[in-house]
Amino acid sequence: EAGVVQSPRYKIIEKKQPVAFWCNPISGHNTLYWYRQNLGQGPELLIRYENEEAVDDSQLPKDRFSAERLKGVDSTLKIQPAELGDSAVYLCASSLYSRGLYEQYFGPGTRLTVT
Amino acid sequence: SQQGEEDPQALSIQEGENATMNCSYKTSINNLQWYRQNSGRGLVHLILIRSNEREKHSGRLRVTLDTSKKSSSLLITASRAADTASYFCATDAMNNNAGNMLTFGGGTRLMVKP
Repeated sequence: EAGVVQSPRYKIIEKKQPVAFWCNPISGHNTLYWYRQNLGQGPELLIRYENEEAVDDSQLPKDRFSAERLKGVDSTLKIQPAELGDSAVYLCASSLYSRGLYEQYFGPGTRLTVT
Repeated sequence: SQQGEEDPQALSIQEGENATMNCSYKTSINNLQWYRQNSGRGLVHLILIRSNEREKHSGRLRVTLDTSKKSSSLLITASRAADTASYFCATDAMNNNAGNMLTFGGGTRLMVKP
């Protein structure tokens, strides 16, 4: 079974440029998460989807970040315009409800460098 | 904000030794999970312990949970060089009615020297 797929793996852009990340979750997983992980820190949730619906986006900086999950499968996360402080690894995860619990499966992440 | 705090932040041991990492958290939880992250990779789920459990084993991993102290520990026995990675605890808060909403700690960076 394929895991969570993310692309690109690496992205270097200049500040004020737009950037987009793509995630394909594990087949059948209804819940999808986007996390940001700064260097040396743990992941922090940006947004969570249940199917097509964004059910928790309280940590998403909405002035420059946007996300969508069309048809409840793939998702894209966009930053426009990017700032130096956006340099981080952006992780996508998906989960399936099993035995009363959700187990999250993570993709390899996209490492963003803003110069 | 990060609820869990791991201790130590970094740990260096020799192959064959045991490694112990601790995690403290602030709010009541449904469960606590440990993840491993190799350099440049995503996180891999290791083990989950529910709030009504005190100890759990999985292979060379042993996790304990003390809800009265709001703390957990992860023990890796007979460590191997391949165990070198960052280890994160993540908590699923008790007042979370929305499923698995995890809050991660800052991680412990483990280095196992051959």
